Amino acid sequence: DIQMTQSPSSLSASVGDRVTITCRASQSIGSYLNWYRQKPGKAPKVLIYAASSLQSGVPSRFSGSGSGTDFTLTISSLQPEDFATYYCQQTYTTPLTFGGGTKVEIK
Amino acid sequence: QVQLVQSGAEVKKPGASVKVSCKASGYTFTSYGISWVRQAPGQGLEWMGWISAYNGNTNYAQKLQGRVTMTTDTSTSTAYMELRSLRSDDTAVYYCARDGAVAGTYEDPWGQGTLVTVSS
Repeated sequence: DIQMTQSPSSLSASVGDRVTITCRASQSIGSYLNWYRQKPGKAPKVLIYAASSLQSGVPSRFSGSGSGTDFTLTISSLQPEDFATYYCQQTYTTPLTFGGGTKVEIK
Repeated sequence: QVQLVQSGAEVKKPGASVKVSCKASGYTFTSYGISWVRQAPGQGLEWMGWISAYNGNTNYAQKLQGRVTMTTDTSTSTAYMELRSLRSDDTAVYYCARDGAVAGTYEDPWGQGTLVTVSS
């Protein structure tokens, strides 16, 4: 199975901060990488698919980059609703696998 | 709007089975697949498998092979996930999510989740 490693596992930030989360795959996955945000007690929601494509309806402060094994999710200006946990997911091959998550907390 | 509505919470004893339903609306059910993902308390996300709503083809996570069955009923636009021989570590919130016509596009939207508790 392809292992997905996210860093950091948690971070503290303030509203308006620029935040970057990284995800590394155990082997090359091309651009088969999605990002999700999960608010407490809620289902995840896709933000970015295919590494850099913004899902319809998702604010433009979210962006994704990378290919191969190294990927990045950037939030350009953190908003109150962005305090949540973020997961990357590889869809290069089954079983689809998720990173361990990055919890973004209020500083 | 596209929506997935799941069945309610379940409490099961070890060794029992559970069947969770996921009713889709707002889109052509047979044009997509459904993935199932679970999340143990305080833990991350685990993909369980995918089913094509077009032809019923399935792709299960190896660790669940033999214990999980995913099905669909196109007449009611409903997907089902049955998990057998339940163990305490199967306690989790189970989510269905619309996926692509092949496994692994991206999951969107997701159902609200169904808590399955396995306890003696």
